[in-house]
Amino acid sequence: ETGVTQTPRHLVMGMTNKKSLKCEQHLGHNAMYWYKQSAKKPLELMFVYSLEERVENNSVPSRFSPECPNSSHLFLHLHTLQPEDSALYLCASSQDSQWAGELFFGEGSRLTVL
Amino acid sequence: AQKITQTQPGMFVQEKEAVTLDCTYDTSDPSYGLFWYKQPSSGEMIFLIYQGSYDQQNATEGRYSLNFQKARKSANLVISASQLGDSAMYFCAMREASGGSNYKLTFGKGTLLTVNP
Repeated sequence: ETGVTQTPRHLVMGMTNKKSLKCEQHLGHNAMYWYKQSAKKPLELMFVYSLEERVENNSVPSRFSPECPNSSHLFLHLHTLQPEDSALYLCASSQDSQWAGELFFGEGSRLTVL
Repeated sequence: AQKITQTQPGMFVQEKEAVTLDCTYDTSDPSYGLFWYKQPSSGEMIFLIYQGSYDQQNATEGRYSLNFQKARKSANLVISASQLGDSAMYFCAMREASGGSNYKLTFGKGTLLTVNP
């Protein structure tokens, strides 16, 4: 299995829908991350979890709700999104959040909000 | 102000030639790390090379080398002997403290490299 797996790879949703993105890492890492990648903008860090505890929340709107039930799984729950939330959402993991250096990324979930 | 600046939105290189992708950074932290990632069309970000701020020598990984000029705050990526599979987006990133004992990566906007046959 690949190191970091994200599902679904593509998601189309209306503004009133509720959906979730899933990320699973098989690397034995202790830290997991959600990044947002919009066109022509740098990657934006959204959330950081270390040992299942949220250690960073970069002023992300409450319509994005992360969940980390264990160190191998990370979810991003989505509700009442806006069209400007359409982007590629990348999950990553690292040995621990105190290093955050060599991140291992998944292939991303491309979200389209209609 | 941008922490990481990549001034080249797109670059073209002929197969088998070398290419340099530019990156400048801004930090007041004496301890930092610089990274390059490759993102092919599949979407996955692939780690290429790392340079620590205290490293005396420029980092090298196979065909990748990092031209680290600390005084100029630049960390350019050099790809030698370009291959068609090198066509991708390339991102420069800097590790910086984000509070407490945690760190985060800040990314540049990226450079789209196209290798021509």
